[in-house]
Amino acid sequence: DGGITQSPKYLFRKEGQNVTLSCEQNLNHDAMYWYRQDPGQGLRLIYYSQIVNDFQKGDIAEGYSVSREKKESFPLTVTSAQKNPTAFYLCASSTSDPYQETQYFGPGTRLLVL
Amino acid sequence: AQSVTQLGSHVSVSEGALVLLRCNYSSSVPPYLFWYVQYPNQGLQLLLKYTSAATLVKGINGFEAEFKKSETSFHLTKPSAHMSDAAEYFCAVRPSGGYQKVTFGIGTKLQVIP
Repeated sequence: DGGITQSPKYLFRKEGQNVTLSCEQNLNHDAMYWYRQDPGQGLRLIYYSQIVNDFQKGDIAEGYSVSREKKESFPLTVTSAQKNPTAFYLCASSTSDPYQETQYFGPGTRLLVL
Repeated sequence: AQSVTQLGSHVSVSEGALVLLRCNYSSSVPPYLFWYVQYPNQGLQLLLKYTSAATLVKGINGFEAEFKKSETSFHLTKPSAHMSDAAEYFCAVRPSGGYQKVTFGIGTKLQVIP
């Protein structure tokens, strides 16, 4: 079955630690996205990538970094510079056709701070 | 710039009653509009989308939404609520044409009372 997988489901971060969230898709989509979800705030865009080896900052990129070395993979690193990382993180992907673009979401990773 | 307003962060309905979740948008160009559903600790699933074809859009699970340009609205309805409809619902908008960022509303939690 085609879809998006995120791992781990739960992740714990210690003070000063960088952690990496995995996102993999087998939908053959060109574009991939990372969102942060906090209660009562909807989804906020962290980073997005429309093509391999290229990515752009979203609305809240500070304290996060990404890479896009393969079409299928778009990992997100939460760095120690992100002072309030506790949230639910959602990865999404879509085709590059702007007239058909629908974003499909993974199951999410919940990040908690120890 | 575009924005989405979801009126009512929490909505309660009785089982079998009409479900009406409100969404108003603003967009400087013709929009594409989406409704997503999210069950606890899961990703978002697309319910339906409007992309400038028919103004009445039918989606999964018996939901539908009507695009009303004059009212800048895209309200989600279902004639008869089921217990399984209890979830959080997100309205989203993006301008049509070319790559454009998707903007999500803050979400409406639907409670279904037996």
